[in-house]
Parts: sequence; structure tokens; C-alpha cells
Amino acid sequence: GQQLNQSPQSMFIQEGEDVSMNCTSSSIFNTWLWYKQDPGEGPVLLIALYKAGELTSNGRLTAQFGITRKDSFLNISASIPSDVGIYFCAGPSTGFQKLVFGTGTRLLVSP
Amino acid sequence: DAGVTQSPTHLIKTRGQQVTLRCSPKSGHDTVSWYQQALGQGPQFIFQYYEEEERQRGNFPDRFSGHQFPNYSSELNVNALLLGDSALYLCASSLGGLGTEAFFGQGTRLTVV
Repeated sequence: GQQLNQSPQSMFIQEGEDVSMNCTSSSIFNTWLWYKQDPGEGPVLLIALYKAGELTSNGRLTAQFGITRKDSFLNISASIPSDVGIYFCAGPSTGFQKLVFGTGTRLLVSP
Repeated sequence: DAGVTQSPTHLIKTRGQQVTLRCSPKSGHDTVSWYQQALGQGPQFIFQYYEEEERQRGNFPDRFSGHQFPNYSSELNVNALLLGDSALYLCASSLGGLGTEAFFGQGTRLTVV
């Protein structure tokens, strides 16, 4: 089945630093989604990407849809303590009825 | 504009019991998907309801069943609970039978003892 692998698994950074994380797949995805999940809460949609090569920003967040359609990247600039959480990439399965989630990247930000 | 709401937020059940979780989708959405999230893992798709029918199912046993009502709200039922069913159960709403751009509720934390 389709699987999404995220790296790094976790990151511990200082406030103000920039962050990069990525998501790779062995199969092609036609849509990439990035979610953030706080402890005990549901995932919140951050950015949606629909075209290979697309670069989309949402405030300090920027995500890119890889040219091969097998990867995506999320960057966070000038991190702040409220960026702490788990970031998941996700993509729709064939038929677009369910989302396949990545393994997650846990971000910790030190004030 | 109400987002996705789930109830209850927390639940403790005994092994072998049955449980019902509820979800109201985001206003304007007609599709509800249910996901199970074990600690430290990403959400796993259970099934999706659209037009009051189960449209797709993940790799979950028949103990997991659901229902969608005419107002698009949905229930997830789990019978004969096992300790391994302890997880965060997430409801996601979307539009038109598609699972993309899904908006999630805050989840129901189920603990089976």
C-alpha cells in the first residue's frame, strides 16, 4: 500500500531558527497536505498542494510539491514556541476517498 | 461557522463492552471519515460515509461499524472492545465523497481497561 515517510522524526530547535522537514513516498501522489497536531487535539490543515512544483505559503510556513510527485517539503521560518507540535504530511489514496498519513515530525522549540 | 464537533471528548470502557462515538461535520460538508490514531502514530483510516452509505473501508474488523444520518452527522460503533482499541478517534469532514482537504475534530480519547 501507499506509505509516506517523514524526516526528521523529531527536531529540537531554538526560537527564531528556520525549520525544514520533508515527506517522501514510493508512489505518486496528486495532492499533498500538511497538518499540525497539538497534544490531545485533532490535526489542523496548514497547507494544501495540487500541482507538481507548486510552492505555497501560509504566513511563516512554506510548502512545496516535489517535481517527481513523490515528495513534499515544509519550511517554517523564524520559529516561535507555539510552533511546537507534530507535523504530518498526508495524501489521498487512489480514488481520493481516504488520506494516507506520514509518520510525523515532532517539533520542539526552546524559548 | 461551526467546525467539526465530536462527543464525548474522553471515554473509559471495559474490555468486551460496546461504545458509540458521535461526530457533526463542518457546516456545508456532507462527507464524514473516521480515523484511529494510536499513541505516537499517524491517523489510520477506518471508513468513510457519504450519502448515508459506507463508501470505503480501511483494514479494520467488522467490530467497527458506523452510520450517517440525513443531517450528515455520523456515529462510529465499536463492539467487543479490546485493550488495543484504546486510541484517539478522529472524525474528518469533507465534501462530495472525497477525503481530500479534510477538516478534523478534536477527537475522542477512548481508553479500554
